[in-house]
Amino acid sequence: QQQVKQSPQSLIVQKGGISIINCAYENTAFDYFPWYQQFPGKGPALLIAIRPDVSEKKEGRFTISFNKSAKQFSLHIMDSQPGDSATYFCAATYYGGSQGNLIFGKGTKLSVKP
Amino acid sequence: SQTIHQWPATLVQPVGSPLSLECTVEGTSNPNLYWYRQAAGRGLQLLFYSVGIGQISSEVPQNLSASRPQDRQFILSSKKLLLSDSGFYLCAWSLSVNLIQYFGAGTRLSVL
Repeated sequence: QQQVKQSPQSLIVQKGGISIINCAYENTAFDYFPWYQQFPGKGPALLIAIRPDVSEKKEGRFTISFNKSAKQFSLHIMDSQPGDSATYFCAATYYGGSQGNLIFGKGTKLSVKP
Repeated sequence: SQTIHQWPATLVQPVGSPLSLECTVEGTSNPNLYWYRQAAGRGLQLLFYSVGIGQISSEVPQNLSASRPQDRQFILSSKKLLLSDSGFYLCAWSLSVNLIQYFGAGTRLSVL
């Protein structure tokens, strides 16, 4: 119930291509879905987040698509660049829950080849 | 602006030795504080969180403990390290009214 399943575990994309990372959850109480980006040796940083009242949120080249009925959400990185090479984590939580504790997916290591 | 400091950046400790990792937050009051461990390929595992001074909740029973002696200070400790305690330890903070968590730069712990 508390799991967030993330796929793929690793992803190799050519420069300029589209990177797609998928996540699925079970707990229908979740109402906040952030994505974090982590570069090697650094802490994760919030990239983009969505709430279930919208089906899509776009910030620059990064887009979250959200499917409430399927309990799935995904991150699309358009025109992927070598600088996007990092590990990406999806997460879920809910307002009013256990002190805002995020449930993280296991991460996707993205490599963008020049 | 708010900043989070975590130290040391790297640490090599022998099995059976004690551990103390410190995290401090500046520029905010009464933050929620979190300790995570990140093992290769296993994502982020929440170890402890705290909503106030002296208030610690443990998510995973283990060889580690946490304390919050001051509002913006969070300490991760162990009396005797195990090999399995090796990993990348991350401290994070958030505001109680906001679900965004901000992470420190992490501590790479190697137990030999």
